Amino acid sequence: GNSVTQMEGPVTLSEEAFLTINCTYTATGYPSLFWYVQYPGEGLQLLLKATKADDKGSNKGFEATYRKETTSFHLEKGSVQVSDSAVYFCALYSGAGSYQLTFGKGTKLSVIP
Amino acid sequence: EAGVAQSPRYKIIEKRQSVAFWCNPISGHATLYWYQQILGQGPKLLIQFQNNGVVDDSQLPKDRFSAERLKGVDSTLKIQPAKLEDSAVYLCASGPTSGGTSYNEQFFGPGTRLTVL
Repeated sequence: GNSVTQMEGPVTLSEEAFLTINCTYTATGYPSLFWYVQYPGEGLQLLLKATKADDKGSNKGFEATYRKETTSFHLEKGSVQVSDSAVYFCALYSGAGSYQLTFGKGTKLSVIP
Repeated sequence: EAGVAQSPRYKIIEKRQSVAFWCNPISGHATLYWYQQILGQGPKLLIQFQNNGVVDDSQLPKDRFSAERLKGVDSTLKIQPAKLEDSAVYLCASGPTSGGTSYNEQFFGPGTRLTVL
């Protein structure tokens, strides 16, 4: 079945530090990949997505590249801000057999001034 | 545009009691989802509706959980009777159409945090 594995948290960084959150996946077919963000007290919001191999999703300074050869979709940001503190979820959607989002466990990021 | 509304935001009950959650999706969205998010885990789909019909309820514990979406708009999720392991955040999401082979974005509500004592 489909599964998503992302790095354990929590992750604590100083403002302006470089961020990487690793995500790897197992899926049938050719899934679409997503990063969702959950700010405290709010619902999940789509941060970025990529629908085919070598696509790069980007939004708000965050980027992730769909790497089919390594089945990865790592999230990166060059300079984090305090306002980026949130929980980040990697997810996939596969149209082959299971028409639903499969989420990773989430990685909590705290950015300190 | 108003987002997905859920109520209540928090609920504390004792085991074996019943509880119900309500969701109002974004206007015009045909698809509605209920997810269970246990602490430290990602959301898990419980049930998906397309209008007022069930598309997927394969992960819904039907001996105690039930959900309905009357008139294809609002939805309620009920747990009866609750167990300790039902403590979680219950998320509602809506989307413009059913996924099928192509993904359509889901918009999430803030969730209801349930604590079962």
